[in-house]
Amino acid sequence: EAGVAQSPRYKIIEKRQSVAFWCNPISGHATLYWYQQILGQGPKLLIQFQNNGVVDDSQLPKDRFSAERLKGVDSTLKIQPAKLEDSAVYLCASSLRRLDGYTFGSGTRLTVV
Amino acid sequence: ELKVEQNPLFLSMQEGKNYTIYCNYSTTSDRLYWYRQDPGKSLESLFVLLSNGAVKQEGRLMASLDTKARLSTLHITAAVHDLSATYFCAVRSGGGADGLTFGKGTHLIIQP
Repeated sequence: EAGVAQSPRYKIIEKRQSVAFWCNPISGHATLYWYQQILGQGPKLLIQFQNNGVVDDSQLPKDRFSAERLKGVDSTLKIQPAKLEDSAVYLCASSLRRLDGYTFGSGTRLTVV
Repeated sequence: ELKVEQNPLFLSMQEGKNYTIYCNYSTTSDRLYWYRQDPGKSLESLFVLLSNGAVKQEGRLMASLDTKARLSTLHITAAVHDLSATYFCAVRSGGGADGLTFGKGTHLIIQP
């Protein structure tokens, strides 16, 4: 089966600009997650979707980050405006059911200068 | 708040040696995961541990779980260079949310 697809692979922006990342989960996977991985650290959960509804967004900095999952399939994560500390790899993961294993995408590496 | 601590954070070892990575977590959880990450790559699932006393082995890696102590170990037997990577443990948050809380990772270098 195809894996979790993410794009772009890399992105460099200036601070205060906006940026968006896209994720296409494995077909049929109802649960989708976005994680932020800062260099040298473990991934941190930003948001969890079940179909197109938000289950947990308690760690999402809502003043600048937003995410949506239209029609319960693809998802986009947006940052506006970006700060230097947002430089990280943004990982998308999906699972078939809520207690199944997770499959991670290759990630988008964001550099804010 | 769920916290996950790994140690050591950095480990350099020689091929053929054995070593153990430790993962402690702060609150009850019903499953623990081990992942491997190579530089510039995504996370590869190694093990999922579901119950107290669970032990899983794959090749030179063996993971175990003690839910009473809130401790998991990843044991490396007769290490080889190909096992060089960063290893993360992660615990499911529980309740209505299923996202994972990760440790900081153990950066493992295995030298010939």
